[in-house]
Amino acid sequence: NAGVTQTPKFRILKIGQSMTLQCAQDMNHNYMYWYRQDPGMGLKLIYYSVGAGITDKGEVPNGYNVSRSTTEDFPLRLELAAPSQTSVYFCASGQQKYYEQYFGPGTRLTVT
Amino acid sequence: DQQVKQNSPSLSVQEGRISILNCDYTNSMFDYFLWYKKYPAEGPTFLISISSIKDKNEDGRFTVFLNKSAKHLSLHIVPSQPGDSAVYFCAARRSGAGSYQLTFGKGTKLSVIP
Repeated sequence: NAGVTQTPKFRILKIGQSMTLQCAQDMNHNYMYWYRQDPGMGLKLIYYSVGAGITDKGEVPNGYNVSRSTTEDFPLRLELAAPSQTSVYFCASGQQKYYEQYFGPGTRLTVT
Repeated sequence: DQQVKQNSPSLSVQEGRISILNCDYTNSMFDYFLWYKKYPAEGPTFLISISSIKDKNEDGRFTVFLNKSAKHLSLHIVPSQPGDSAVYFCAARRSGAGSYQLTFGKGTKLSVIP
């Protein structure tokens, strides 16, 4: 099992550009999450999904969009990138009956 | 409003000694608590958890203690090893609606000195 994979590992965007952060898991988990971690801060939930076709906002959803067309994939879309979106982004997945979440290696995004 | 607080940004411990990492929370609706460990340039990895119906959970060198009345939990690592050097995050789950969401603290960076 590869677990949770994320691409790309690093990306530099110019202000106003758009991009999609990819996330995939091969553990057949229903639940998937996107977090961002700013320096010296904990992880903040951006969006989550409880199954294919079902997504909902987390604590900091502004400036982002998600879709979940399959159990395996949960891409995060940034439209009109802003410097405030400079952060490290983590995707995670989990099973319904357990509370532990399994994280990918992260994508470091810089918006200049 | 920070509902999960890790008030020590960093901690240094000698190899072989005990490491104690602390976490406080404010939301009485939290009923499940988790500790994650994070190495640089990697994602967090699950370490150990505890339900609010227990006051202690042990897994090898790692023990988590929960004091519900004080809204405080701690992670004990005995004995500490250099490979334990990492950032440790405390997280909490709220019972009821949205129970799949976790709230994280800011983390404590543990350095184990050989």
